[in-house]
Amino acid sequence: DIQMTQSPSSLSASVGDRVTITCRASQSITSYLNWYQHKPGKAPKLLIYAASSLQSGVPSRFSGSGSGTDFTLTISSLQPEDFATYYCQQSYSTRYTFGQGTKLEIK
Amino acid sequence: QVQLVQSGAEVKKPGSSVKVSCKASGGTFSSYVFSWVRQAPGQGLEWMGGIIPMFDTPNYAQKFQGRVTITADESTSTAYMELSSLRSEDTAVYYCATLDPGYAFDIWGQGTMVTVSS
Repeated sequence: DIQMTQSPSSLSASVGDRVTITCRASQSITSYLNWYQHKPGKAPKLLIYAASSLQSGVPSRFSGSGSGTDFTLTISSLQPEDFATYYCQQSYSTRYTFGQGTKLEIK
Repeated sequence: QVQLVQSGAEVKKPGSSVKVSCKASGGTFSSYVFSWVRQAPGQGLEWMGGIIPMFDTPNYAQKFQGRVTITADESTSTAYMELSSLRSEDTAVYYCATLDPGYAFDIWGQGTMVTVSS
């Protein structure tokens, strides 16, 4: 199975900060990379699909980039509602796999 | 827009089985690609397997092969996930989700808590 590794595992930041989360695949997944936001007690929410396409209804402060094995999720200016756990997920293989998650906390 | 509604919380004994349902509404059931994803307490999201009702061929993560069975019933627009030989480590919230044409999980059920305890 394709392994997905996120860094950092946790991150403390303040409202208004610019934040970047990285995700590395164990092999090339071209652009088959998605990002999700997950809050306690809620279902995960799709933010970015195909590495850089913004899901409908998601604020433009979220952006994604990368291809091959290295990807990033950037939040340009953190808002209070952005504190959550973020996951990358590959869909290159039909044995889909997620990264271990990055917990974004308030500093 | 499809909506997914899952069955309610379950408490099971170790060694038993659990079957969680996911009823879809608002679309063409047979064309969807359903997956099941779980999150154990303090852990991340874990893909377990999926099915395309049109082809009725499930696909499982290696970790769960032999212990999970995913099915779909077109007559009721419901997908199912059955996990057997339950152990305490299977205590988790189980989600169903559909894969969109861009190969991302865009629609999710509300989650079903399964607790395995003696």
